[in-house]
Amino acid sequence: AQSVTQLDSHVSVSEGTPVLLRCNYSSSYSPSLFWYVQHPNKGLQLLLKYTSAATLVKGINGFEAEFKKSETSFHLTKPSAHMSDAAEYFCVVSDRGGYNKLIFGAGTRLAVHP
Amino acid sequence: GAVVSQHPSRVICKSGTSVKIECRSLDFQATTMFWYRQFPKKSLMLMATSNEGSKATYEQGVEKDKFLINHASLTLSTLTVTSAHPEDSSFYICSARDRGGLTGELFFGEGSRLTVL
Repeated sequence: AQSVTQLDSHVSVSEGTPVLLRCNYSSSYSPSLFWYVQHPNKGLQLLLKYTSAATLVKGINGFEAEFKKSETSFHLTKPSAHMSDAAEYFCVVSDRGGYNKLIFGAGTRLAVHP
Repeated sequence: GAVVSQHPSRVICKSGTSVKIECRSLDFQATTMFWYRQFPKKSLMLMATSNEGSKATYEQGVEKDKFLINHASLTLSTLTVTSAHPEDSSFYICSARDRGGLTGELFFGEGSRLTVL
């Protein structure tokens, strides 16, 4: 069975400082992992994805994530936070056993202060 | 990227009425669409998988007769909340997979906020 744990429900950073959003996963298969961002009352936008290629994945808006199999982690990072990064972030694992449904983590709300 | 459109974005209805939400893939064909429900400040909960031309597959605990899903074409899936009650108030989001895509990426709609009075 697949599962995702986002270790922080809220993260607060100052503008211009680094961002770290933590995610651990559990999977019976070689997982596909994703990070999505959701702004208030909006749908989800894909930030980046890992699908068994390079372990360091670069996404949009300066975000990147590193797949670490030994630690079963897929943490999201950004060197310098921007005010527009304030949103809800979801770590997601794909279930390859069936019809590839996505299993969402609980989400991390990122606040960025001036 | 591919675009998925949901309509309406917001709907308010009286208790006991039925509400239909549409999910359209605008520039690609989607054999599979997914319907999610999101409670305030919570994650997305998969409700059902909608397959074009066949019956939807519902997740455990989701009432089939309450949440009717129809996927009549490769670009349209609908979710009908029947006899809505205040506890059905929620944010409903659909996603679709590009049938012709190479990566299997899912594209999400903007969501539909349902408020039942």
